[in-house]
Amino acid sequence: EVQLVESGGGVVQTGGSLRLYCTGSGFNFGNSAMSWVRQAPGKGLEWVSSISGGGSTTIYADSVQGRFAISRDNSQNTLFLQMSSLRAEDTAFYYCARYRGITFYGLPFDDWGQGTLVTVSS
Amino acid sequence: DIQMTQSPSTLSASVGDRVTITCRASQNIGSLLAWYQQKPGKAPKLLLYKASTLGDGVPSRFSGSGSGTEFTLTITSLQPDDFAMYYCQKYNRYSTFGQGTKVDI
Repeated sequence: EVQLVESGGGVVQTGGSLRLYCTGSGFNFGNSAMSWVRQAPGKGLEWVSSISGGGSTTIYADSVQGRFAISRDNSQNTLFLQMSSLRAEDTAFYYCARYRGITFYGLPFDDWGQGTLVTVSS
Repeated sequence: DIQMTQSPSTLSASVGDRVTITCRASQNIGSLLAWYQQKPGKAPKLLLYKASTLGDGVPSRFSGSGSGTEFTLTITSLQPDDFAMYYCQKYNRYSTFGQGTKVDI
């Protein structure tokens, strides 16, 4: 059974930094591209960033480009999201999601974690 | 950027009803469209991909159609478990979600 478990969320001040983690199990982690998707409380889904299975290719939404960095450690089955220069509008539940292939082009999100809440407060 | 627009935003229905949700893309996306179901406090669940292919374990009362810029999600004979939020997503390279449709009683 595929499992994705996020952690690292919490309360951070405006302008601060935070690192999120997503640990995967039940599948070949290195053969799956991964993504972060966020959802502000009571709002819709917003794709944030994706990374290929090997980690060599990354893409970002315009809203986080230059502030967030996605990475992965396949030896530890872990996906990361380093967030900096945080703003109030970054407050959201952050989900990690798995693509069924090693690339993220042309594939939907097969599996999702349960999310971790990031609150950016002044 | 390609925009995804869902309609309606809210849909009131009863158990046993047939319901249809529409998703429109601002540009041609071929068939690279997925539908997700999300219940309160839960992560989204993949229902359909490639516009009309059912996800693993998804009941056959869910179906999808369309290509290019206009797509539909149909639920035949709505069940109590189907009252939820539904999102479309285009996934060519960058993902974009529709704003969601709430199906309630």
